[in-house]
Amino acid sequence: QVQLQESGPGLVKPSETLSLTCSVSGGSMSSNSWSWIRQPPGKGLEWIGYIYNSGNTNYNPSLESRVTILVDTSKNQFSLKLNFVTAADTAVYYCARLRLGGTVQFDSWGRGTLVTVSS
Amino acid sequence: QSALTQPASVSGSPGQSITISCTGTSSDAGGSNYVSWYQQHPGKAPKLMIYDVSYRPSGVSSRFSGSKSGYTASLTISGLQAEDEADYYCSSYTSGRFVVFGGGTKLTVL
Repeated sequence: QVQLQESGPGLVKPSETLSLTCSVSGGSMSSNSWSWIRQPPGKGLEWIGYIYNSGNTNYNPSLESRVTILVDTSKNQFSLKLNFVTAADTAVYYCARLRLGGTVQFDSWGRGTLVTVSS
Repeated sequence: QSALTQPASVSGSPGQSITISCTGTSSDAGGSNYVSWYQQHPGKAPKLMIYDVSYRPSGVSSRFSGSKSGYTASLTISGLQAEDEADYYCSSYTSGRFVVFGGGTKLTVL
């Protein structure tokens, strides 16, 4: 069973860059896609984007201009960078495995990490 | 892309059945066989309950089932139990290869 764990700063200043890493264990990264999803306090889930094992990416159009997702299979990690953050980016950020190819499912999730944007 | 439409809340008594709807458009849930459902308890990560409209992952109770008609997908929980009280989210893969979530439904077991 694959396990995912988010890590990164819990506090980011407005206009700066939010950077998170997801460490993957218990499975291969090379045959899967990997995604970031966030949830503002008291609100619903918002898909941020995903990266294929090829390195190609798809981003939420509403965030595309500020988001970068990268994968480093040698370290069994993938990462999220979100530029020019504001208070509206305060959320719990989840990383998840996205199964694609005849199916679409987020079948494994990290526990989530709260990132607060504040000066 | 707009969020899929779910009722804000539903409720039911133990042992009853409830259904949560998830309505989209021809670009997402309406035109996709890739609708999934997630259960989220407070303070916890979401858990996959149904994928590809009606398939249940190993380990998920058979009391959970999914279906779709037209632009609306549905999650049905039969034999409600107290532990089913949670938030439920639908999700769809769109024609543009994006992912969209519903706004979430709070299930209360009376």
